Amino acid sequence: EPEVTQTPSHQVTQMGQEVILRCVPISNHLYFYWYRQILGQKVEFLVSFYNNEISEKSEIFDDQFSVERPDGSNFTLKIRSTKLEDSAMYFCASSEVRQETQYFGPGTRLLVL
Amino acid sequence: AQSVSQHNHHVILSEAASLELGCNYSYGGTVNLFWYVQYPGQHLQLLLKYFSGDPLVKGIKGFEAEFIKSKFSFNLRKPSVQWSDTAEYFCAVNAFSTSGTYKYIFGTGTRLKVLA
Repeated sequence: EPEVTQTPSHQVTQMGQEVILRCVPISNHLYFYWYRQILGQKVEFLVSFYNNEISEKSEIFDDQFSVERPDGSNFTLKIRSTKLEDSAMYFCASSEVRQETQYFGPGTRLLVL
Repeated sequence: AQSVSQHNHHVILSEAASLELGCNYSYGGTVNLFWYVQYPGQHLQLLLKYFSGDPLVKGIKGFEAEFIKSKFSFNLRKPSVQWSDTAEYFCAVNAFSTSGTYKYIFGTGTRLKVLA
């Protein structure tokens, strides 16, 4: 069964550094998402992406965040200058159509020191 | 504002006990409803979903959920839990937004521990 994959599984970085989290969505899916889960808190929507542009973003997704689909398979989340409070598990998801089930990747645990 | 509430944050049960996890949502429009499970160290997996039709939905691993529109609820049930059901369970609403997109709104999750 096709799966969403994410790399790396863990990332440790210093405050102020840039990080890029990578995702490979399911190949025939057209809608892509990023969510995050701060330890002990709920999963929060960050951004949705379709047709090479952002469809919607939350208030969390400020100017420090950006997303890109650099080629036909990868979907990346970049944090330009990480803050301590960016430490979280970041989940990528994809869906075939916009209102259908979203399939989640295993997540990248980001720790900002 | 759209929101999803899961009232039980931690549940501890013995094997063979029955399970019911509450989920209530706040949203005025048409919603698609989901339950996801996250086993320790693993990613979110879909347990079941409701889009329309029979409000009693059956999912994988013996789970079911009932959509009660009048109560804005979508409670998850299992008649007899197993040790392997130890996990965190998330209720989610896929809500249509004014921007024309859908996004998941998650509840806070319920951490279930089943004692062998």
